[in-house]
Amino acid sequence: KAGVTQTPRYLIKTRGQQVTLSCSPISGHRSVSWYQQTPGQGLQFLFEYFSETQRNKGNFPGRFSGRQFSNSRSEMNVSTLELGDSALYLCASSFGLARLKQYFGPGTRLTVT
Amino acid sequence: EDQVTQSPEALRLQEGESSSLNCSYTVSGLRGLFWYRQDPGKGPEFLFTLYSAGEEKEKERLKATLTKKESFLHITAPKPEDSATYLCAVQARGKGAQKLVFGQGTRLTINP
Repeated sequence: KAGVTQTPRYLIKTRGQQVTLSCSPISGHRSVSWYQQTPGQGLQFLFEYFSETQRNKGNFPGRFSGRQFSNSRSEMNVSTLELGDSALYLCASSFGLARLKQYFGPGTRLTVT
Repeated sequence: EDQVTQSPEALRLQEGESSSLNCSYTVSGLRGLFWYRQDPGKGPEFLFTLYSAGEEKEKERLKATLTKKESFLHITAPKPEDSATYLCAVQARGKGAQKLVFGQGTRLTINP
């Protein structure tokens, strides 16, 4: 079974631009969560989607948004990029709300210059 | 607020030298505690889930234990390939189905 895939793997953007990251969960998994990982803050929860609905949201500004499609694939968008948005963005999928085990993708390394 | 603290931040061991990593947590109601391994440039790899105090799980040279306040990841006779960052995370009851709160991790280096 293929794992969680994320595209692109690496991205360089300029301050003020916007970016869209994509995540394809493991086949059959319906829950997708997004995390931001930085050296200073570690792994921080962004948001979670299940059946195309946002179920939970972390403490991030409104510039961070996401969505989930009917095939469970998910995208996250960051508008008006800031230097501090440079991070590894990780996507994790799980079978459903009752299944606790989350499987992470390799991440997208975003650099904002 | 749910919180996870891992210690030490970094640990350097000789091959075969056993040790333990600590994860202290505060959570309103524990739904599950997770251990992940993360190699540089990669996403976290799932190791264990523990649900209640007293529970233990083992996988090769790793053994995870759980009390009401902390979890330990015991590494027995480690090998250089066990070098990685080990992350601990908790999931609370009734606060969104999947949100994980992570510790800062322990960076483990095993010297041959």
